Amino acid sequence: GDSVTQMEGPVTLSEEAFLTINCTYTATGYPSLFWYVQYPGEGLQLLLKATKADDKGSNKGFEATYRKETTSFHLEKGSVQVSDSAVYFCALSPYDYKLSFGAGTTVTVRA
Amino acid sequence: GAVVSQHPSWVICKSGTSVKIECRSLDFQATTMFWYRQFPKQSLMLMATSNEGSKATYEQGVEKDKFLINHASLTLSTLTVTSAHPEDSSFYICSAGFRELSYNEQFFGPGTRLTVL
Repeated sequence: GDSVTQMEGPVTLSEEAFLTINCTYTATGYPSLFWYVQYPGEGLQLLLKATKADDKGSNKGFEATYRKETTSFHLEKGSVQVSDSAVYFCALSPYDYKLSFGAGTTVTVRA
Repeated sequence: GAVVSQHPSWVICKSGTSVKIECRSLDFQATTMFWYRQFPKQSLMLMATSNEGSKATYEQGVEKDKFLINHASLTLSTLTVTSAHPEDSSFYICSAGFRELSYNEQFFGPGTRLTVL
């Protein structure tokens, strides 16, 4: 079945460091891919998405490119801030509305 | 943006009792709501999908009689954990979607931590 694997955390960075969170997927067909973020005490929020191969999703300085050849959707940000401390979830959605999530990666950014 | 609330945010109950968790869409009408379960350091697992006014659709392996889902209005869905046992302790998260967006753009509640003693 469809599944998502993302790098285990926790990840601790200093402010202005470069962040990469790896995400790979297994799916039949061509799913949509997502990154969700969960800030402390809040619900999951959609961070960015890509619906087809080679699409690049971007938001708040974060980027991820849908790579069909490597079945990957890695999340990157060039310069993180303390406010980026959160749990990040990679997810996919096949032809229907269901979402399959990765395990989540906890990111802590220190000043 | 769209806001989804859950109540309570945490609950502790005795084994054998039932617990109800509410999920509300505060500023939009949600035609579909989803219930997830999350174990520590693990993925969110979809438990069921509920459409307003109809029976919920449960994922394989989820006990329908243990996890009762009701979606009686466009702003409220409830999950009742019946005859709860310690193995039901978990973090339960709901999400809501509505017609104007793709269904896979869901808005999530903050979750409810259930501890069964």
